[in-house]
Amino acid sequence: GNSVTQMEGPVTLSEEAFLTINCTYTATGYPSLFWYVQYPGEGLQLLLKATKADDKGSNKGFEATYRKETTSFHLEKGSVQVSDSAVYFCALSAQAGTALIFGKGTTLSVSS
Amino acid sequence: NAGVTQTPKFQVLKTGQSMTLQCAQDMNHEYMSWYRQDPGMGLRLIHYSVGAGITDQGEVPNGYNVSRSTTEDFPLRLLSAAPSQTSVYFCASSRQRGETDTQYFGPGTRLTVL
Repeated sequence: GNSVTQMEGPVTLSEEAFLTINCTYTATGYPSLFWYVQYPGEGLQLLLKATKADDKGSNKGFEATYRKETTSFHLEKGSVQVSDSAVYFCALSAQAGTALIFGKGTTLSVSS
Repeated sequence: NAGVTQTPKFQVLKTGQSMTLQCAQDMNHEYMSWYRQDPGMGLRLIHYSVGAGITDQGEVPNGYNVSRSTTEDFPLRLLSAAPSQTSVYFCASSRQRGETDTQYFGPGTRLTVL
């Protein structure tokens, strides 16, 4: 079946460090891929998405590239800030009419 | 636009009690869904609706009922609460149930069942 695997957290970084959160997926067909972010005490909000192979999603300095050959969608940011501290969820939607499938989430903590 | 709103933000129930979690959206979205979030489990789909009058089960539907009488509202009912239903519940909506469509989430309801 369809599934998403993302790296276990928590991830603890100093401000201005480079961030990578790994995400790999298993799916039939050609899914759309998403990164959602959940700030403390809030609901999830879309961070970025990519809907076909080799697409790069980007937002707020975060980037992720849809790699079909490695079935991956790793999240990266060149210089994290304290305000980036949150839980990050990788998700996929395998085809029209199916629900989002989420990874378990990765907690990022950035200190100054 | 208020987006997706949920009430209440917090709730404590005793085992066996019933309650309804409210969800509303003002974006005229056709697709709405309920998820529960548990530590180390990500989000799991409870029920969803593709339009007024149409609902279906997700991954973990047992113990929950839903209805969709209007496009705007999608309440989640717990008929007889159990401690296993202690969780954070999120309502979400999207324009359609397509693979490229963005889902918009409410702020969540934190439910504790004693």
